[in-house]
Order: sequence, then structure tokens, then C-alpha cells
Amino acid sequence: GIQVEQSPPDLILQEGANSTLRCNFSDSVNNLQWFHQNPWGQLINLFYIPSGTKQNGRLSATTVATERYSLLYISSSQTTDSGVYFCAAWGRAGTALIFGKGTTLSVSS
Amino acid sequence: DTAVSQTPKYLVTQMGNDKSIKCEQNLGHDTMYWYKQDSKKFLKIMFSYNNKELIINETVPNRFSPKSPDKAHLNLHINSLELGDSAVYFCASSLPGVNQPQHFGDGTRLSIL
Repeated sequence: GIQVEQSPPDLILQEGANSTLRCNFSDSVNNLQWFHQNPWGQLINLFYIPSGTKQNGRLSATTVATERYSLLYISSSQTTDSGVYFCAAWGRAGTALIFGKGTTLSVSS
Repeated sequence: DTAVSQTPKYLVTQMGNDKSIKCEQNLGHDTMYWYKQDSKKFLKIMFSYNNKELIINETVPNRFSPKSPDKAHLNLHINSLELGDSAVYFCASSLPGVNQPQHFGDGTRLSIL
């Protein structure tokens, strides 16, 4: 099945900094989503982005399907951005969403 | 208002007991899922149901039995709980088809004593 790898595994930022999180996947995808798991454990949908670019406030995402990667950009980070960011992909031959191991982001004031 | 709701949020019980987690979605979706998040935060699919029919069972022990009384509900019953069942269980739903976004509930944290 599809492999999903995220980098970096951990990221520490000062408030106001920008960051880029990366997700590589090993096969063509039907579905790619980014999630934020907040410190209370809730999984928040950020983007559904099997291809192209989307923006939502300070967050944006780009998926280059032909090169099998997706990037999540966080600008002007805030302490509330802390948590774990997951990328999940559904490969063309797959039967379910496969999650990466996540990037743990800590933003300090 | 909650799109995908799970109950209870927390469940603490002893080894050997039987417990259930309920999931309901009001999004009008046909497909529902259960995922397990382990202590290292790794998320993995357990089951998928489409319109009350089982689609995926990812080698989950048969102590876990999903039940879908209608397409808005997918409950998870676990028999003879073991220490290794301690985890956070997430319910999700989507429209049918592989290229549809999945929407997740807030999770149920199960702790086995």
C-alpha cells in the first residue's frame, strides 16, 4: 500500500515565525488531507488537497501530485498552532486513508 | 451542531470487561470509519462501512465488532478488553468514493486498568 512520510518529526518555533511541513507519498493519490490534532486531542480538518493549492487564513497547502508531495505552510505562527500535524493519503490502489506519523509543532511566546 | 459525535469522550474500565463506543454523524454521509490512535499517536484504519455494509476490516481482532443500525450511526463494541486496547478511537464519515474528504469526531480515550 501507499507509504506516507512526514518531515520534520518535530518543530519548535517562536511566535510570529513561518514554517513549512512536508508530506511525501509513494503512489498516486485519490485523496490527500491535512489535519491538526490540538492539545485536547481533537483532529481538525485543515485541507482536502489531492492536487493544487489552497489557502485558509494563515495556513496554505500545495500538493504536487506528479511529484508525490504536499506542503503545509503556516505563516505568523501563534501558540494556538501548537499540536501535531498529520498528512493522510488514499492511494489509487488503496482501500483507506493512510496517515503519516505527524509533525509535532511547538510554538512559544 | 456537531457533525460527527462520539460518546463517551473518556472510558476507563478494567481488563476483561465489555464496552461500547457510539458514533453518530449528521452530515448525510453514507460511509463511516473507525480509526485507532496508539500511544505513539499513530493513526490506523480499523473498519469502514458504506450504507450499513462492512467494506474494510483491517485485521482487527474479532473482539472488536462494529455495528451500523443505520447509515448515520456506526458503533464499536469491544469484548474482553485487554491492556493493549488502551488508545484513542476516532470515528469519521465521508460521502462514498475514494476522493471524498473524511470528517472526524473528537475521539474516545479508552483506558484499561
